[in-house]
Amino acid sequence: KQEVTQIPAALSVPEGENLVLNCSFTDSAIYNLQWFRQDPGKGLTSLLLIQSSQREQTSGRLNASLDKSSGRSTLYIAASQPGDSATYLCAVSLGSARQLTFGSGTQLTVLP
Amino acid sequence: NAGVTQTPKFQVLKTGQSMTLQCAQDMNHEYMSWYRQDPGMGLRLIHYSVGAGITDQGEVPNGYNVSRSTTEDFPLRLLSAAPSQTSVYFCASSHRASGRNNEQFFGPGTRLTVL
Repeated sequence: KQEVTQIPAALSVPEGENLVLNCSFTDSAIYNLQWFRQDPGKGLTSLLLIQSSQREQTSGRLNASLDKSSGRSTLYIAASQPGDSATYLCAVSLGSARQLTFGSGTQLTVLP
Repeated sequence: NAGVTQTPKFQVLKTGQSMTLQCAQDMNHEYMSWYRQDPGMGLRLIHYSVGAGITDQGEVPNGYNVSRSTTEDFPLRLLSAAPSQTSVYFCASSHRASGRNNEQFFGPGTRLTVL
């Protein structure tokens, strides 16, 4: 059974810092990996999607990497802002319908 | 495009009642799924569908039924609500095609409380 772990569970940083969120998974036979953002009481917003054949994806201040062989992904956030405060979820996709297995998330607080 | 829509946004049920959570998407996605989110448990897959007329069970299917009569709609039915089904329910959809098109999109969620 696929298991996804996210470390740390919570992170608090001052505004302007660069930071890294970690995600690890136990079964490397994934189809893709997706990073989401969730604000309190809201739904999930897709940030980045990395196909299993790719090593990284970038969108603005966000960069996600994937090392399938070691079962790891990182989400790098550059020059963090208070508006980045949210819970970040990592999910790996496998199976006939690309079913997602989620980590428990990292709750990020960026202090002004 | 409205994306993935879910109704209702909030619902309170009594134990034993039944109800249907609605999910619709207007992106012509083949794949649709239902997840529940509970504190400390993360998001878990309930049921999924790879196309109209085809559904299958996920990790936590007990107490729920689904059907997929059209590409657009994927309702989730609670047969006899129990307090353990108190949760936030999310519907998701994606294309079957490979590559960037299989990004998964989520609805805003339905917050269900069972008393």
